[in-house]
Amino acid sequence: GESVGLHLPTLSVQEGDNSIINCAYSNSASDYFIWYKQESGKGPQFIIDIRSNMDKRQGQRVTVLLNKTVKHLSLQIAATQPGDSAVYFCAENIRGYSTLTFGKGTMLLVSP
Amino acid sequence: DSGVTQTPKHLITATGQRVTLRCSPRSGDLSVYWYQQSLDQGLQFLIQYYNGEERAKGNILERFSAQQFPDLHSELNLSSLELGDSALYFCASSVDLAGEYNEQFFGPGTRLTVL
Repeated sequence: GESVGLHLPTLSVQEGDNSIINCAYSNSASDYFIWYKQESGKGPQFIIDIRSNMDKRQGQRVTVLLNKTVKHLSLQIAATQPGDSAVYFCAENIRGYSTLTFGKGTMLLVSP
Repeated sequence: DSGVTQTPKHLITATGQRVTLRCSPRSGDLSVYWYQQSLDQGLQFLIQYYNGEERAKGNILERFSAQQFPDLHSELNLSSLELGDSALYFCASSVDLAGEYNEQFFGPGTRLTVL
């Protein structure tokens, strides 16, 4: 498939490990945050979101943590599987605006 | 499958040329967004159209333009192409209800290579 980005930070884990992907966002006015997964040759796909009035939200095998004090977002993936291998982006949004600002992305590589 | 379609999948052209990328949003979505994804810059928002009108503009060059037609499909026109325009171009669509963010669904992208 096509390579999304050759200059991205990379996290390599073993199948079954827990993965933590971090993101520092830029705008203190942002109040809605989303994690996207992008597999090779495909467009970004929504994983999980969180609003600024929360500091944690859980989905199926994924958890997002938000620390507004230091403008930091993290995505935790439990029991990582080879199918989780992809580039993960955080994106931020300001209330009242429909546009997103994306972070640089992190490549997750999961070894069997 | 997000329901957003983009054509062509790949496009190879020469510097100085002009190309048109096409996007069809999900059924019922009124907003279309265009993004450029390059190795150096990540995903950069270019422009948004809502129901035929330009709604928001990001880092879009003057050589680039877009429009949204009455049937809600959108085209991104790239002219006077330069080597640095080589990138993946994504279209996304959303319902875009007023006053709140709505999930954007991304198409599979068009890979543009400028030689």
